[in-house]
Amino acid sequence: GAGVSQTPSNKVTEKGKYVELRCDPISGHTALYWYRQSLGQGPEFLIYFQGTGAADDSGLPNDRFFAVRPEGSVSTLKIQRTERGDSAVYLCASSLTASGGSSTDTQYFGPGTRLTVL
Amino acid sequence: AQTVTQSQPEMSVQEAETVTLSCTYDTSENNYYLFWYKQPPSRQMILVIRQEAYKQQNATENRFSVNFQKAAKSFSLKISDSQLGDTAMYFCALRENAGNMLTFGGGTRLMVKP
Repeated sequence: GAGVSQTPSNKVTEKGKYVELRCDPISGHTALYWYRQSLGQGPEFLIYFQGTGAADDSGLPNDRFFAVRPEGSVSTLKIQRTERGDSAVYLCASSLTASGGSSTDTQYFGPGTRLTVL
Repeated sequence: AQTVTQSQPEMSVQEAETVTLSCTYDTSENNYYLFWYKQPPSRQMILVIRQEAYKQQNATENRFSVNFQKAAKSFSLKISDSQLGDTAMYFCALRENAGNMLTFGGGTRLMVKP
């Protein structure tokens, strides 16, 4: 596709429920990133994939959060037993490569999924 | 750990005038990259400009330019000839060469007034 797409655009759920957020990166991009943006703040890193593997998951807040990228393209962020504090915009980004030194590692962002936990 | 600070929560500028947004950062690395992203109400982060720390020359992209002061760890964004479409949140971000994650500042809300 022309850009990074994320579905759904908005998700409202009840406390304790399970949710899945999907990210379709730019075609051919090997690196994929998830960030969380709380209201009035800058995005915070959650996890980064290089191909199918999670190369850095140091930003995941706890074990309720999990992400996969089974075929090296689409990624799903999964949140179990949602809490009200999980309410935020979840942003996905992709880059052609992951290594530094050239513009091919520039991260391009999707429009995000706004998650509201009631 | 790296940090990014934007000290101006909100700024306003008249259309066609020039505005400068401030950003300071901290990192222990010598090689790193700095970015300015724009986030309009549509939520999508749009890359405005990128600067490699090893380059002394300040990056420019049309009406957007940066003032990169490595010793001071300062990275300000100058928008010339401001347009109504420049109204958005602006985020400064840092990526260390050894890592892949972006560390963002808290953002500056820019309003361009007609």
